[in-house]
Amino acid sequence: QVQLQESGPGLVKPSQILSLTCSVSGASINIGSYYWNWVRQPAGKGLEWIGRVYTSGSTNYNPSLKSRVTISVDTSKNQFSLNLNSVTAADTAVYYCAREQERARGDAFDVWGQGTVVTVSS
Amino acid sequence: DIQMTQSPSSLSASVGDRVTITCRASQTINTYLNWYQQKPMKAPKLLIYGASSLQSGVPSRFSGSGSGTDFTLTISSLQPEDFATYFCQQSYSAPTAFGQGTKVEIK
Repeated sequence: QVQLQESGPGLVKPSQILSLTCSVSGASINIGSYYWNWVRQPAGKGLEWIGRVYTSGSTNYNPSLKSRVTISVDTSKNQFSLNLNSVTAADTAVYYCAREQERARGDAFDVWGQGTVVTVSS
Repeated sequence: DIQMTQSPSSLSASVGDRVTITCRASQTINTYLNWYQQKPMKAPKLLIYGASSLQSGVPSRFSGSGSGTDFTLTISSLQPEDFATYFCQQSYSAPTAFGQGTKVEIK
């Protein structure tokens, strides 16, 4: 079955760029009607959607983060990536990648990565 | 943007209890409402999509209902493995948004 795995630095300095990659295994990222998403969760808090990319390369971002976020897809490597610039301590969180399936009754995040902890600190 | 509000924020229940969690949207979202379960240190797991459709592999003791702005997740008979935090999510319009979560604890 499809599996997602996040990778990237666990520690990022303030004002620098947070870069994460999500590797997709078990299926081609190109096949099917899916969006590929990033979601984050600060410790003890709720889930915040960051943004998504389609395999065509089209993107949607949360307006609250839009000025700092870039999400891209590399179909040759079967992976997609997140770049978040000008980070502060408020960006410290568990970052998840997730597959969003288009459904007649509404899209839903049906496959998630295990999550990766990113701490912003000098 | 659409805001999602869950109630209660936490509850205590016993094995075998019927549990109901409510989610309210700040504007109508038809039935574009999903429910997720999250256990400590784990990723969320999709339980219900489209307000009432059970995701494949999810036990039938989980059910969802509602439309418009008010939605409910019901666990008909709480099992030990159901103690977790539950989130609702609207997929009606971008940006998608989650409720703040309801933690179900052991009484």
